[in-house]
Amino acid sequence: QKEVEQNSGPLSVPEGAIASLNCTYSDRGSQSFFWYRQYSGKSPELIMFIYSNGDKEDGRFTAQLNKASQYVSLLIRDSQPSDSATYLCAVNLLSGGYNKLIFGAGTRLAVHP
Amino acid sequence: DTEVTQTPKHLVMGMTNKKSLKCEQHMGHRAMYWYKQKAKKPPELMFVYSYEKLSINESVPSRFSPECPNSSLLNLHLHALQPEDSALYLCASSQGPGQSLYGYTFGSGTRLTVV
Repeated sequence: QKEVEQNSGPLSVPEGAIASLNCTYSDRGSQSFFWYRQYSGKSPELIMFIYSNGDKEDGRFTAQLNKASQYVSLLIRDSQPSDSATYLCAVNLLSGGYNKLIFGAGTRLAVHP
Repeated sequence: DTEVTQTPKHLVMGMTNKKSLKCEQHMGHRAMYWYKQKAKKPPELMFVYSYEKLSINESVPSRFSPECPNSSLLNLHLHALQPEDSALYLCASSQGPGQSLYGYTFGSGTRLTVV
């Protein structure tokens, strides 16, 4: 089992719709979870972080965390063509007493007009 | 200053060359990282430095040699690379080596091509 799993997509949604991106992780000890957006040829950009069960909202983005189910999701409301990118779920894992950020494979989102 | 600066942005090198990638941050972060990202793949962790000491080496081949001269600088020395080492090399930093509540800040990366 991979440490962080995501559907690779592509996820295609019409402009104005809600895009729902999902991620599962294997280490129950993980405490912090992140969503990065990456445009083609660019570096990852942090858009949301969450470490408490429940929902966290920031503008059009909502991150949801369920530690019992080891599940993290990202909702993007009123999707825009500029949201078209790869969304990377990242999880802090403990390894040999040190923490490291491990990424899922990423979900490619395409928002069409 | 909330940026991580990487130089050069692009690098083409032969298999017998020696080159270095540089990374700099002035956010007072005490942990710094090198990631490698191949096309259409996620970033893969290579090295972690905590308080200027190497704390994690993810079984990276010795042709990649990291160095942390001080708390603001991180280098990656490259020697005798193979074409399959061509990738985007990303530097990142975080406040400290513990569970980072605010994630890592990434530089814009160095696009490396080995010919």
